Amino acid sequence: NAGVTQTPKFRVLKTGQSMTLLCAQDMNHEYMYWYRQDPGMGLRLIHYSVGEGTTAKGEVPDGYNVSRLKKQNFLLGLESAAPSQTSVYFCASRTGPEQYFGPGTRLTVT
Amino acid sequence: GENVEQHPSTLSVQEGDSAVIKCTYSDSASNYFPWYKQELGKRPQLIIDIRSNVGEKKDQRIAVTLNKTAKHFSLHITETQPEDSAVYFCAASSGYSTLTFGKGTMLLVSP
Repeated sequence: NAGVTQTPKFRVLKTGQSMTLLCAQDMNHEYMYWYRQDPGMGLRLIHYSVGEGTTAKGEVPDGYNVSRLKKQNFLLGLESAAPSQTSVYFCASRTGPEQYFGPGTRLTVT
Repeated sequence: GENVEQHPSTLSVQEGDSAVIKCTYSDSASNYFPWYKQELGKRPQLIIDIRSNVGEKKDQRIAVTLNKTAKHFSLHITETQPEDSAVYFCAASSGYSTLTFGKGTMLLVSP
C-alpha cells in the first residue's frame, strides 16, 4: 500500500496562475482533508470531505476549491494564486479517528 | 469554533530529562485529543491519543493526561533521546470529524 500520496512535491507559481494539487489514498478511507502549514501557525484546515461527492469548508477556505469525484482522490485547486498562498500543503485521510498524512507539497507563489 | 492553545513554542532539554508540553482547548464538546510528531521535512504522524472518558494514557516513554474540568491536556516524554527532537502538535476534536491543531512545540534534545 502506498498510503496517502500527493502530486506534485514542489511547485512554483506566478501570481494569478492556477494549479491543482492531487491527493490519492489507497486505504479506502471515507474522510479526506486538505491542510496548509505555515511557520508558527500549525496545521490549518482548508477543506474536507466526508465521502465521495461531498466537500465542506474548513478554517481557511478562501481562495481554494476542492473536488472529490472519486473516493480515492481529493483535489485542491487554486484559481488565481496569491503570494499569501505560499505554504506547505498536506493532505490527510481516515476512517477511524487517526488521520494519515501525505508527504506534503511545497508551493511558492512569486 | 474550537480554539487550541499550545505551550511552550520551543523546548530545549538534555538527553535523559523529561519534557512536558501543555495544551488548552475551548470547546467543552471536544472529546478526542491526539498528539502528532513531525520530524523536519516529514509528514505529521500520530504518536498517542486520548478520549474524554480517560484521564491518562501511557505508551512506553510517552504519556498524555487530560483534565476535562480545566480543559487542558498534556504530553509527557520521559528519558528523552535525540531522536525525540521534532515538532509536536496537539489537537482537539468533537466526534473525530475535524481536528483543530495547536501551533506546535519544537522540542530539541541535546546529547
